[in-house]
Amino acid sequence: AQSVTQPDARVTVSEGASLQLRCKYSYSGTPYLFWYVQYPRQGLQLLLKYYSGDPVVQGVNGFEAEFIKSNSSFHLRKASVHWSDSAVYFCAVSAPGYQNFYFGKGTSLTVIP
Amino acid sequence: EAAVTQSPRNKVTVTGGNVTLSCRQTNSHNYMYWYRQDTGHGLRLIHYSYGAGNLQIGDVPDGYKATRTTQEDFFLLLELASPSQTSLYFCASSEIANTEVFFGKGTRLTVV
Repeated sequence: AQSVTQPDARVTVSEGASLQLRCKYSYSGTPYLFWYVQYPRQGLQLLLKYYSGDPVVQGVNGFEAEFIKSNSSFHLRKASVHWSDSAVYFCAVSAPGYQNFYFGKGTSLTVIP
Repeated sequence: EAAVTQSPRNKVTVTGGNVTLSCRQTNSHNYMYWYRQDTGHGLRLIHYSYGAGNLQIGDVPDGYKATRTTQEDFFLLLELASPSQTSLYFCASSEIANTEVFFGKGTRLTVV
């Protein structure tokens, strides 16, 4: 069965600092991978997705993620965070032939001005 | 931009009460999903559907029914609500099964 682990429930960084949010998945093949962001009182919005090809994918607002198959990881990165990046970030996994997604428990990011 | 609209946005009901949560998507997506979001659990799939009249069981279906009446409309039914069903519920849709999912803004349900 598939699963997703986000080991950090909360992360706090200063504005302008770099960011990495960790995500590890469990799946034997090559998965489809996603990062979503949830702002307060909003639904989840897609940041970026990986299906195949270049393992580094670019998303919105300067976010990127790298698929490392050997490590079963899909960490989210941003070079310089802004206070408006404060939100909850979810990693999700699916796969060819699957009909749904598995979400991690989320990482709450707080950016200190 | 895909649009997924949930109603109501907030609902309070009593234990044993009957609740229906509604979801409409306006992009003719085939797949629709109901999730619940709880602290410490993330998002958990309740039911999903790949077309009108179809229903598939998700990971946490107990206590919930769902019905997909049209391509656009997907309902979640709690016929005997319990306090354990107090949660934030999200509806979502996608064109095909395992691609990008579009979420509604959520319905906060409180069972007292």
